[in-house]
Amino acid sequence: QVQLVQSGAEVKKPGASVKVSCKASGYTFTGYYMHWVRQAPGQGLEWMGWINPNSGGTNYAQKFQGRVTMTRDTSISTAYMELSRLRSDDTAVYYCARANYWGQGTLVTVSS
Amino acid sequence: NFMLTQPHSVSESPGKTVTISCTRSSGSIASNYVQWYQQRPGSAPTTVIYEDNQRPSGVPDRFSGSIDSSSNSASLTISGLKTEDEADYYCQSYDSSNHPWVFGGGTKLTVL
Repeated sequence: QVQLVQSGAEVKKPGASVKVSCKASGYTFTGYYMHWVRQAPGQGLEWMGWINPNSGGTNYAQKFQGRVTMTRDTSISTAYMELSRLRSDDTAVYYCARANYWGQGTLVTVSS
Repeated sequence: NFMLTQPHSVSESPGKTVTISCTRSSGSIASNYVQWYQQRPGSAPTTVIYEDNQRPSGVPDRFSGSIDSSSNSASLTISGLKTEDEADYYCQSYDSSNHPWVFGGGTKLTVL
């Protein structure tokens, strides 16, 4: 069965970076784009971008251009999302997702 | 880019039927598939409808999806409402250029 398992919660200071991982299993990792979506407390879902695990090509939402980097390691079927220059309003649950399947989410808290 | 507009909240009694709408602001609703996600408090989203009207395995047939070109909207209909259906529901579609995901703002379903 398809599973997306994300890394654990993180607490970061403003200005720092965070890197969240998403390990895929149960399907051909390179066969589906991996998307990253975040949800601030009490808010809706916000698309951040995608990575094509086959080619490594990416497409980022304009809001995050210059601060987000999505990468992958096909040898271990894992996608990564790194967000830099963190601010307090980056506090959110970050999800990886592919067609029809979502990871469990990773809470990133940004606080001084 | 287009927007997807959902009602903020809907409520209905157990056993009844409820329909949640998702209206596309520009471009045809039929030009890109629509997905629907259910999100219970404290949990990751799960897919209840994909490709306009397809149900993933394990989703009961009480859930159905449709699109209406005349109103340029998609709808999620849940029949025989159960208290366990109480959740936030999000519609999602794609922008054809580079395939970013576009989310509706979410609808809180209360079953009382």
